Amino acid sequence: QKEVEQDPGPLSVPEGAIVSLNCTYSNSAFQYFMWYRQYSRKGPELLMYTYSSGNKEDGRFTAQVDKSSKYISLFIRDSQPSDSATYLCAMPHGGSQGNLIFGKGTKLSVKP
Amino acid sequence: DVKVTQSSRYLVKRTGEKVFLECVQDMDHENMFWYRQDPGLGLRLIYFSYDVKMKEKGDIPEGYSVSREKKERFSLILESASTNQTSMYLCASSVAGTANTIYFGEGSWLTVV
Repeated sequence: QKEVEQDPGPLSVPEGAIVSLNCTYSNSAFQYFMWYRQYSRKGPELLMYTYSSGNKEDGRFTAQVDKSSKYISLFIRDSQPSDSATYLCAMPHGGSQGNLIFGKGTKLSVKP
Repeated sequence: DVKVTQSSRYLVKRTGEKVFLECVQDMDHENMFWYRQDPGLGLRLIYFSYDVKMKEKGDIPEGYSVSREKKERFSLILESASTNQTSMYLCASSVAGTANTIYFGEGSWLTVV
């Protein structure tokens, strides 16, 4: 089993839809969970991070962590065409020094 | 504003050439990283560095080396480029001891012919 699994999509939704992006992981020691957004031909940019379980909200984005199920989610409300990008989940690999292990990314397209 | 700059965005090199990819960060970050990103494989860590002149192998170091002579600069070296090293290379930096402040550059697209 891979350490981090993420459905690559692609996922296509109409503008205004609620989007749910998900990752599962196998290492119960993971405590930090990040979501990156990557536009085409650009580097990933940090979107949200959470520590341990629970929810974190930032504008239209909500990150959710369920450590008992080893499952994390990113919800996007009122999705916009500008949200069209690849979304990558990431977790620190080998402690808190910051070298991350990434999911393979889910490509999202929001249609006007 | 955090800035990680990769000087070369698009490169085409010949098989066997020595290739240098340069990365500079302006946030005084201790940690620097080199990843490569390939379709279907995602991001994979090549090398990272916690301090000047220090380096650690990542998951796929074969065929690569790195150099960190100054805190702000981290170079990736392909000693003898091969076609299977055609990829997007991403440099990143972060504050020491943190897992939530990794910032990436724009990427360098390398094609080896």
